[in-house]
Amino acid sequence: GEDVEQSLFLSVREGDSSVINCTYTDSSSTYLYWYKQEPGAGLQLLTYIFSNMDMKQDQRLTVLLNKKDKHLSLRIADTQTGDSAIYFCAESPSSASKIIFGSGTRLSIRP
Amino acid sequence: EPEVTQTPSHQVTQMGQEVILRCVPISNHLYFYWYRQILGQKVEFLVSFYNNEISEKSEIFDDQFSVERPDGSNFTLKIRSTKLEDSAMYFCASRVRDRGVAGASNEQFFGPGTRLTVL
Repeated sequence: GEDVEQSLFLSVREGDSSVINCTYTDSSSTYLYWYKQEPGAGLQLLTYIFSNMDMKQDQRLTVLLNKKDKHLSLRIADTQTGDSAIYFCAESPSSASKIIFGSGTRLSIRP
Repeated sequence: EPEVTQTPSHQVTQMGQEVILRCVPISNHLYFYWYRQILGQKVEFLVSFYNNEISEKSEIFDDQFSVERPDGSNFTLKIRSTKLEDSAMYFCASRVRDRGVAGASNEQFFGPGTRLTVL
């Protein structure tokens, strides 16, 4: 079945890079997403990547996709306190329009 | 910037009562969704809705759940007889058009959620 796995916690020092990793099982996934959820807020789409791409960069965000290993990562450069949130990896299988979410990685920033 | 809105932000109800969660999707969107997130767990897909009918639903979406688009702007989720395990954050989402259309975006825009507490 479809499943998305990611580690639950990540702590980084302010100014360092954060790398959040994710693995998924559905090889037919067409879209792979990173969502951000701040406390008490909804889900904000940060970025997404098509399955035929290896990398996508958007300002401080870099997404890497290894389709062979079904591994997705999100790198946040120069991590700031405002980046504290839960980051959800998600995929959308090509045969359906629903989005399958991972459990979320809670990113905390230490001074 | 257009956004998906949801009301109420927090709903408290007694077990066995009916609740209706309301969503106003972005105005030119055609696809509508409900997801839920039980505290500390994954965001789970419940149902998708297009052209006034359910296009897909998950195992969670049993006979106690129903969705409706009663007018041109609202999209509602009804739980007929709430159970304790229905306590969760419920997110509405909408999408503009079919991913099969060239250049279409598959982005689903999410609302801020309604926290449902069943006592």
